[in-house]
Amino acid sequence: AQSVTQPDIHITVSEGASLELRCNYSYGATPYLFWYVQSPGQGLQLLLKYFSGDTLVQGIKGFEAEFKRSQSSFNLRKPSVHWSDAAEYFCAVGPGGNNDMRFGAGTRLTVKP
Amino acid sequence: NAGVTQTPKFQVLKTGQSMTLQCAQDMNHEYMSWYRQDPGMGLRLIHYSVGAGITDQGEVPNGYNVSRSTTEDFPLRLLSAAPSQTSVYFCASSFSVNTEAFFGQGTRLTVV
Repeated sequence: AQSVTQPDIHITVSEGASLELRCNYSYGATPYLFWYVQSPGQGLQLLLKYFSGDTLVQGIKGFEAEFKRSQSSFNLRKPSVHWSDAAEYFCAVGPGGNNDMRFGAGTRLTVKP
Repeated sequence: NAGVTQTPKFQVLKTGQSMTLQCAQDMNHEYMSWYRQDPGMGLRLIHYSVGAGITDQGEVPNGYNVSRSTTEDFPLRLLSAAPSQTSVYFCASSFSVNTEAFFGQGTRLTVV
């Protein structure tokens, strides 16, 4: 079965600093990969997705992610973090053998002024 | 633009009670799913449906039932609530399992 690992439970960065959130996946074929963001008390919103083609994908709010098949990774990056980026970020992979989507445990981002 | 609507937003149940969490979407999506979110565990899939009349189990289905009589609605039933079912529940819909999922606002359920 597919699985997703987000090694960092909590990351703190200063406003204006760069950000990288890690995501590693286990999947038997070419995966469909997603990053979602969850603001406090809210549902999840899609930031970006990778299906095929260019391995560097651009998303909303200035985020980008790079698919590296050799490392089974799909890390999320942003060059300059804003205070409004404080949220929880989830990586997801699918579809699985049960036609389902698997999410990582999430990384909580705190932004220092 | 309603999107995915979940009700209720908050609920407290006593152990052994049953209840139904409602989920409705107005985007004509075929794929709908229910997740529970627990600290440190991310979102875990409870049940999903690839279309009206078709449902299947996800990762953590025990204690929950679903049905899909229409494209729009996908209710989640707790048969006999247990404290272990205290969680935040999210309903999501998408055109297919490989496309962007749209999430509801969540239902925070406490079982005492």
